[in-house]
Amino acid sequence: DAGVIQSPRHEVTEMGQEVTLRCKPISGHNSLFWYRQTMMRGLELLIYFNNNVPIDDSGMPEDRFSAKMPNASFSTLKIQPSEPRDSAVYFCASSLGGRGAGELFFGEGSRLTVL
Amino acid sequence: GENVEQHPSTLSVQEGDSAVIKCTYSDSASNYFPWYKQELGKGPQLIIDIRSNVGEKKDQRIAVTLNKTAKHFSLHITETQPEDSAVYFCAANSGGSYIPTFGRGTSLIVHP
Repeated sequence: DAGVIQSPRHEVTEMGQEVTLRCKPISGHNSLFWYRQTMMRGLELLIYFNNNVPIDDSGMPEDRFSAKMPNASFSTLKIQPSEPRDSAVYFCASSLGGRGAGELFFGEGSRLTVL
Repeated sequence: GENVEQHPSTLSVQEGDSAVIKCTYSDSASNYFPWYKQELGKGPQLIIDIRSNVGEKKDQRIAVTLNKTAKHFSLHITETQPEDSAVYFCAANSGGSYIPTFGRGTSLIVHP
């Protein structure tokens, strides 16, 4: 299996621009997570989907952030407009679910720099 | 909600020594405790996990212990090697939740 695939791996943009991060979870996994990692705050959960439905979005910083999962094999995280404080590594992870808590499989991350 | 504290934030050891990383959690309903290793430029990867019905679990050079009464769990790495150098995260899942709460991470440096 190819694992969780994220794109782009690196993104440099200017303040005010729209940023879209993409994720393809592992086939057959029904749970998907978006995390943000910074030195200051560590790994923060942004949003959690189960069977393509957003279950917990309490970690989404503000209205500038939005996430979608139109089908079981694709999810996006959008930031509009972007700000310098959004600079971080964004991880997507998927898990099998179904029998309680279990292993999360992380992608390699998308490193975002907002100038 | 769950709160996970992890110590130390940085750990430096000589090759061949043992390393211990400790975590505490707040929610007594938590029942799943995974440990992840994150190498530079990569995403975290599960290395070992333990459930609340078990007190200890071992896999070659790594082991995890769980003390439910005290609400703490630890990662033990024996005979450390330079390739063990990475950031290690503990996590805890509240009972019935699919969402882990992560600790802040420990940067382990193994000197040859």
